[in-house]
Amino acid sequence: EAQVTQNPRYLITVTGKKLTVTCSQNMNHEYMSWYRQDPGLGLRQIYYSMNVEVTDKGDVPEGYKVSRKEKRNFPLILESPSPNQTSLYFCASSPGDRFYGYTFGSGTRLTVV
Amino acid sequence: ELKVEQNPLFLSMQEGKNYTIYCNYSTTSDRLYWYRQDPGKSLESLFVLLSNGAVKQEGRLMASLDTKARLSTLHITAAVHDLSATYFCAVDLTGTASKLTFGTGTRLQVTL
Repeated sequence: EAQVTQNPRYLITVTGKKLTVTCSQNMNHEYMSWYRQDPGLGLRQIYYSMNVEVTDKGDVPEGYKVSRKEKRNFPLILESPSPNQTSLYFCASSPGDRFYGYTFGSGTRLTVV
Repeated sequence: ELKVEQNPLFLSMQEGKNYTIYCNYSTTSDRLYWYRQDPGKSLESLFVLLSNGAVKQEGRLMASLDTKARLSTLHITAAVHDLSATYFCAVDLTGTASKLTFGTGTRLQVTL
């Protein structure tokens, strides 16, 4: 089944403790992206990647890191999480073709206390 | 900076009624995407609109795009409870759909 898989689904952590949210897609898509969803703000793009080793900032990149060492994986790294990063995070992938847009993963609900 | 606004933000409607959700955007684009999100779930692609005047229909939902007015509409015909969800529009300026900018969403509640 074609899908974008994120782990974990739920995560509670403490301020300053480094964490990684993994994302993997099995559709051989060129593009991958991370979004965060907050009430009243819709979805905002954090980072995106056009191919292996090629990444670019989205609208809200502060406090996040990403890497794209393999085409299928695009982990999101929070080196020192803060409470304002409490959010619902979505990974997404796309063939890089305007005809399709993004396919989204199931989401990761992160709480930073 | 591209801004995408949806209205209404919340819509409660009775089954069988018709209604329209509006998506306005600030920068010219002929690439607009509609998504649906059920509570606690991921986003599901509904429509891809890629030219001025584009119209797509799926069941009781019909989406259209007017690039001159920078406006897309999502029309709901004879609403049923199963359509209760949050609907998002998203605009692309890149040509590759790599950087979708989303509206704030419209939460639709269809009551019996």
